[in-house]
Order: sequence, then structure tokens, then C-alpha cells
Amino acid sequence: AQSVAQPEDQVNVAEGNPLTVKCTYSVSGNPYLFWYVQYPNRGLQFLLKYITGDNLVKGSYGFEAEFNKSQTSFHLKKPSALVSDSALYFCAVRVSSGSARQLTFGSGTQLTVLP
Amino acid sequence: DTGVSQNPRHKITKRGQNVTFRCDPISEHNRLYWYRQTLGQGPEFLTYFQNEAQLEKSRLLSDRFSAERPKGSFSTLEIQRTEQGDSAMYLCASSTGLSSGGQETQYFGPGTRLLVL
Repeated sequence: AQSVAQPEDQVNVAEGNPLTVKCTYSVSGNPYLFWYVQYPNRGLQFLLKYITGDNLVKGSYGFEAEFNKSQTSFHLKKPSALVSDSALYFCAVRVSSGSARQLTFGSGTQLTVLP
Repeated sequence: DTGVSQNPRHKITKRGQNVTFRCDPISEHNRLYWYRQTLGQGPEFLTYFQNEAQLEKSRLLSDRFSAERPKGSFSTLEIQRTEQGDSAMYLCASSTGLSSGGQETQYFGPGTRLLVL
């Protein structure tokens, strides 16, 4: 079975400050890890993914995430937050082997960037 | 690439009625997925198609739920005899189908929000 934990329901950060949204995962095997963002009453928008290789992954809108296998974490980061980054962020995992194609999502973290 | 589209965007129905949602994936995407998202939760997997074949179904997909993708293009999700617990956002996603290892990105539509009164 695969699972994702986002330990913070809410993260508040001041505009211009760095932000981190935490994610830890549990899978049997090597993981594929994804971050999505959801704005109110909208679907999910893909930000970035880790498949293999460099542990630091860069994605859309200046976001990046660091894969840490020993800590089974995939935290989302941005050096300087914008008010427009305020949204709901989801981490997701899929195991790399087997036939399952489904993504397993965390419960989400609401990011609020304060002006 | 016009993105994944879903219709209707909103649906209000009375308990016991049947509803049907439609999803049009990104053109030439072979894989199509349905997820359900309730308030305060992440999306939960319902079912997955490779072309017209339904290859995976979640335990969440009760007998009242049925999904089809008859020509390997658009898909429909039908809920029969709706219950108040079916109220949720129903999300559709698609991916290219070119990768065998599950590393593909799934692109999501805007969702259909269902309210069962």
C-alpha cells in the first residue's frame, strides 16, 4: 500500500519570505512523487515531479522540491513567496513497479501568503 | 492542447436520481482516470481506462457507479440512485499512455461538483 502525509493543514508565510510545504510518503518500492496546486473551485494543476536522478526538482512558477529517500520526504519549496501562491497544495505518490496507475494524494496543505 | 474538459461543472440533484458526468481528455491521451474529492480531503482514485478498457476499479466504486469510455476518447461516469454521501467534486485526469512505468503526469480537468439534496 502507498500513502502520503502532509502534516500541516495550514501554512502562513509573509510575502517575499521563503516557503516550505511538507510531505512524507510510504511505499513498497521506489516512488514517483508529484506536487499539484488547486485554486478555489478549480481542478488540480501540475507543479513538478520526481522520477529519478537529481534529488532537487524544479517546476512551474519558481517552485522546487527536494527528494530525501532516507527521510521519505518530498518537501515543496519556493525562495520568495507571492500572494498569488495562496492556494491548496497536494502531494501525491505512485509506486514505480506494478500495474497500478492511480495516484495516492495527501490531504492537502492550505498555503496563505500574507501581503 | 486544449486541456481536460468536464461537463457539467455543477450538478444539483435529489436523492435517488441518476446523474451522468462527461470527461473529454487531452487529445490523443490514451489513459483516463476518475477521482473523487470531498471537502478537506485529497482526491481519491475511482477508476482508470487504457483506451476503451477499464483496467482498475477502486473499492470506492460501488455498484451504483459505472464508468465507460466506449471509443477510447471521452468518458462518462454515472451514479445511480444518488445518496447524500455522493456529494463531492468528481475529477477526471488524462495522461499520454506512452510510458509503461507509471511515471507519467496526470493532467486534471476542472471537475464536476455534485450536490445531492
